[in-house]
Amino acid sequence: DSGVTQTPKHLITATGQRVTLRCSPRSGDLSVYWYQQSLDQGLQFLIQYYNGEERAKGNILERFSAQQFPDLHSELNLSSLELGDSALYFCASSVEPGGPEAFFGQGTRLTVV
Amino acid sequence: GNSVTQMEGPVTLSEEAFLTINCTYTATGYPSLFWYVQYPGEGLQLLLKATKADDKGSNKGFEATYRKETTSFHLEKGSVQVSDSAVYFCALSDRSGAGSYQLTFGKGTKLSVIP
Repeated sequence: DSGVTQTPKHLITATGQRVTLRCSPRSGDLSVYWYQQSLDQGLQFLIQYYNGEERAKGNILERFSAQQFPDLHSELNLSSLELGDSALYFCASSVEPGGPEAFFGQGTRLTVV
Repeated sequence: GNSVTQMEGPVTLSEEAFLTINCTYTATGYPSLFWYVQYPGEGLQLLLKATKADDKGSNKGFEATYRKETTSFHLEKGSVQVSDSAVYFCALSDRSGAGSYQLTFGKGTKLSVIP
């Protein structure tokens, strides 16, 4: 158990809808990252937060947004969903921004139908 | 920018065979290097790490040595087991110009071990 909790584990929704994925980092970790893992794209970095502030942005679509709250949990919002958004979404956390190592949650499997 | 290149998979080995998964990196600073493992249906777990040149990371029979001269961090295991079947990711962590670390992952190598 990495100590990183993601909910829900599975999510099935229709195209055009909006969903929110939730992540609770390990106790004491201030930095949270979101990754998308799909079969054809591998592990894609989306966005990173540190102590409530955005620190780095990767290949995150404009339809996606995230935030980190004062209690350090984070939410990833995905809107106007398309079939191609179906993927595993991972949250990870670390003590410092970006390192030195990250601890991953079990992921949320999103299926858009 | 930083990048990690690891060998394409999938890799299929018989039980007790020797495993090597190649990983090379490009980084502007002095990165820390990691191998993560993802078992079926699970998230990524840190397998081993090395934080400076010539360091050897090891865990569960796996080893990797930080080679600065060849910018490599190849993963090895002397005798694989069926339970080692998983996807292996090489990664680096390096401080960006903004002072925070940037984590960069390779594409992953799927290993299947057959009895």
